[in-house]
Amino acid sequence: GESVGLHLPTLSVQEGDNSIINCAYSNSASDYFIWYKQESGKGPQFIIDIRSNMDKRQGQRVTVLLNKTVKHLSLQIAATQPGDSAVYFCASGGSSNTGKLIFGQGTTLQVKP
Amino acid sequence: GAVVSQHPSWVICKSGTSVKIECRSLDFQATTMFWYRQFPKQSLMLMATSNEGSKATYEQGVEKDKFLINHASLTLSTLTVTSAHPEDSSFYICSANPGGTGANVLTFGAGSRLTVL
Repeated sequence: GESVGLHLPTLSVQEGDNSIINCAYSNSASDYFIWYKQESGKGPQFIIDIRSNMDKRQGQRVTVLLNKTVKHLSLQIAATQPGDSAVYFCASGGSSNTGKLIFGQGTTLQVKP
Repeated sequence: GAVVSQHPSWVICKSGTSVKIECRSLDFQATTMFWYRQFPKQSLMLMATSNEGSKATYEQGVEKDKFLINHASLTLSTLTVTSAHPEDSSFYICSANPGGTGANVLTFGAGSRLTVL
């Protein structure tokens, strides 16, 4: 079945450094991918998305890279700040375009001052 | 921006009782809403797709009679946990697609934490 996974459960970085969070997916027919940030006790917040016809997309301090050959995507956060501490999920939109998202297991980003 | 509101944000109930959680799209209409469940330190698991004016579509393994979903209007979906038991304790999150923000990008509510004693 379709699955989305993450490479590391926890990532600890120094404030000001760049963070890279990785994600692997299994369904090669997935059409789009989204990164969400979830702070403790809250719902996920949209960070950035990318469609399968792109390999890179940039936002404010964030960049998502998509490698369809190896079914891998990453989220890069530049100049990581304490407020970036949260759990990050990648999610895949299925090829059926029903609006359903399948979430990966999440990576906890810890930013050390 | 698009806002999805959930109520209550947290609820404690006794085993055997039923609990209703509301999900509202505040500034847009949603013919479809999605209900997720999240256990501590785990990912979001899709429970069901709520369809306005018709029956919900449940994911495999989710009990329809345990988790009743009603989507009576374009801005409101409700999830009722019937005869709740301690194992139903979880974080329930709803979401909807406000459209215009990208293909199938869901906006999530703040979640409802259910504790069953």
